Amino acid sequence: GESVGLHLPTLSVQEGDNSIINCAYSNSASDYFIWYKQESGKGPQFIIDIRSNMDKRQGQRVTVLLNKTVKHLSLQIAATQPGDSAVYFCAENGAGGTSYGKLTFGQGTILTVHP
Amino acid sequence: DGGITQSPKYLFRKEGQNVTLSCEQNLNHDAMYWYRQDPGQGLRLIYYSQIVNDFQKGDIAEGYSVSREKKESFPLTVTSAQKNPTAFYLCASTLKGGATEAFFGQGTRLTVV
Repeated sequence: GESVGLHLPTLSVQEGDNSIINCAYSNSASDYFIWYKQESGKGPQFIIDIRSNMDKRQGQRVTVLLNKTVKHLSLQIAATQPGDSAVYFCAENGAGGTSYGKLTFGQGTILTVHP
Repeated sequence: DGGITQSPKYLFRKEGQNVTLSCEQNLNHDAMYWYRQDPGQGLRLIYYSQIVNDFQKGDIAEGYSVSREKKESFPLTVTSAQKNPTAFYLCASTLKGGATEAFFGQGTRLTVV
């Protein structure tokens, strides 16, 4: 959902640890989900996506898990590096009705990786 | 190279003025979006357009206006009615109706002086 008036939650980890970033979504009809990484002063960059007919998808050092029962999405980053420090957003591409094709972003999480 | 371009990167506006932010894409995407981002906060949807000559209000459309006369262009005007326009503005595009990722521009930082 929207983060109007709220500041982003933060996650601090040590270099080499695994990171888990969570996201709750509201539209049970959404059929596609995306994780983005945003570095300071830049636009968001695509990390990984997952469709609603899957519950897990792996990329390079990243894994996305989807739990449709509780409408929850998570991003796992293995062996986190200082270059992973950024804000991470989940997004859903709502399916059906007037929301079809409209992107809705989650609140976002600030990840800080300490050397 | 295909992509989405926002200009200018930095923009200063005097109070009471209207300013227009440019967004151009050569990805042949049907849908385009404008988001506002305030420091330490998430993205809030201002307007979006799924087809030429059509657009819909997002969650915070008041004080903003858009047009979609061409598929590749979706300019955003920040009007004097927007009481707190200082923010980072992001434009994005996607294939219409498809479960595909959005491509973002690099943003425009607008400051009211």
